[in-house]
Amino acid sequence: DAGITQSPRHKVTETGTPVTLRCHQTENHRYMYWYRQDPGHGLRLIHYSYGVKDTDKGEVSDGYSVSRSKTEDFLLTLESATSSQTSVYFCAISELAARNTEAFFGQGTRLTVV
Amino acid sequence: GENVEQHPSTLSVQEGDSAVIKCTYSDSASNYFPWYKQELGKGPQLIIDIRSNVGEKKDQRIAVTLNKTAKHFSLHITETQPEDSAVYFCAANAYDLGNEKLTFGTGTRLTIIP
Repeated sequence: DAGITQSPRHKVTETGTPVTLRCHQTENHRYMYWYRQDPGHGLRLIHYSYGVKDTDKGEVSDGYSVSRSKTEDFLLTLESATSSQTSVYFCAISELAARNTEAFFGQGTRLTVV
Repeated sequence: GENVEQHPSTLSVQEGDSAVIKCTYSDSASNYFPWYKQELGKGPQLIIDIRSNVGEKKDQRIAVTLNKTAKHFSLHITETQPEDSAVYFCAANAYDLGNEKLTFGTGTRLTIIP
C-alpha cells in the first residue's frame, strides 16, 4: 500500500468551528488531492496541489482552504464548518510520469458537523 | 471541464454471471481512463486502466473497453465472485491550465448474490 496517512480518521465538530484535516505521504509524490465523497455524487475534487506552495481549486472548493508547506503534508481547512460539509474526505497522491497517473487514496476521514 | 457520467448506480448479479458498468465522458482531450474499486470502509483502489491509444485491455476476469469516437468506456467483470461486491468508480483525466487531474463518475454499487 502507498504510504498515505489521514488524520483524524473520525471527527465530530460543531457548526461554525474551524477544522483541519491532515494528509501525510511518504512516497514523495508531486501531486496531492482532497476529495469529498457523498452519496449520489461520487468523488468530487475540493483542492489539489502540484507542488510545495502550489495549489489550485477543484469543483467544490467553496468553504475550504488548503496549504502545502512540505512535499509530504497537505492540509485541508474548513474555516467555519457547516452541516453541508458533513462528508467522508479522502486524500490522494499521484506522481505524473509520461505513462502513469495512478492515484493512491488514503483511508478517509469521516467528518460530522452538528 | 470534464464531466463523467456512470451507469447504473446499483447492480446486482448472480455469482458466476458477468457485470458491466458504463461511463461516458465529455472532454475529447481526455486520454486516460482508470477504474477504481472501493471496499467498505476503505479508500478507492485502482483495478485497471486504459489509455486512448488502445480499445480494450484485460486483466484476468476484468476488462475495460474504450470507444473514443462515442466517448464512452466500460468495465466488464466475468465469472463474478462474492469478493467483487464493492463500489466501482470510473474516471477520466482532464487538463486544467496545464495541470492534470481526475474527474470521477458517481459510482456503481455492485452486489454479487451467492
